[in-house]
Amino acid sequence: QKEVEQNSGPLSVPEGAIASLNCTYSDRVSQSFFWYRQYSGKSPELIMSIYSNGDKEDGRFTAQLNKASQYVSLLIRDSQPSDSATYLCAVRSRDDKIIFGKGTRLHILP
Amino acid sequence: DTEVTQTPKHLVMGMTNKKSLKCEQHMGHRAMYWYKQKAKKPPELMFVYSYEKLSINESVPSRFSPECPNSSLLNLHLHALQPEDSALYLCASSQARLADDTGELFFGEGSRLTVL
Repeated sequence: QKEVEQNSGPLSVPEGAIASLNCTYSDRVSQSFFWYRQYSGKSPELIMSIYSNGDKEDGRFTAQLNKASQYVSLLIRDSQPSDSATYLCAVRSRDDKIIFGKGTRLHILP
Repeated sequence: DTEVTQTPKHLVMGMTNKKSLKCEQHMGHRAMYWYKQKAKKPPELMFVYSYEKLSINESVPSRFSPECPNSSLLNLHLHALQPEDSALYLCASSQARLADDTGELFFGEGSRLTVL
């Protein structure tokens, strides 16, 4: 079983709609979870971190964590063409390594 | 503007060359990382330095040699590389690897390496 799993997409969402990105992880003891955005040819940029169950909101972004289901999600409200990128879910493992999922390509349709 | 600076941005080298990638951060972070990223793949951890000591080596071939001269600087020395080593090499830093560390990584822009 892979440590961090994401649907590779592409996920196509109309401009102005909500984009929903999902991630599951295998290590039940993981405590730290991150979402990174990566534009083509650029480096990853941290957009959200979440450490406890529930929702965490930052502007148009909401991260959701459910440790019982080992599930992390990212919602992007009012999607903009500039949100088109690959979104990487990352989890800090029990040995303190930050492990990345394969990423979901998001395409916002104008 | 990124606070983690990597040089050079692009590097082309032959299989017999010796070159180095450099990384510098001024955020007071005490952990620094090298990741390798191939096209359409996630970043893959190579090395972690914590308080200037090598704490993680993900079984990286010895043709890659990391060095951490001080808490702000991280180098990756390259020697006798293979064409399959061509990739984007990402440096990152985080506060520390202590129990209260957030684990948030801040990446530089990367060094794109081509091995001929």
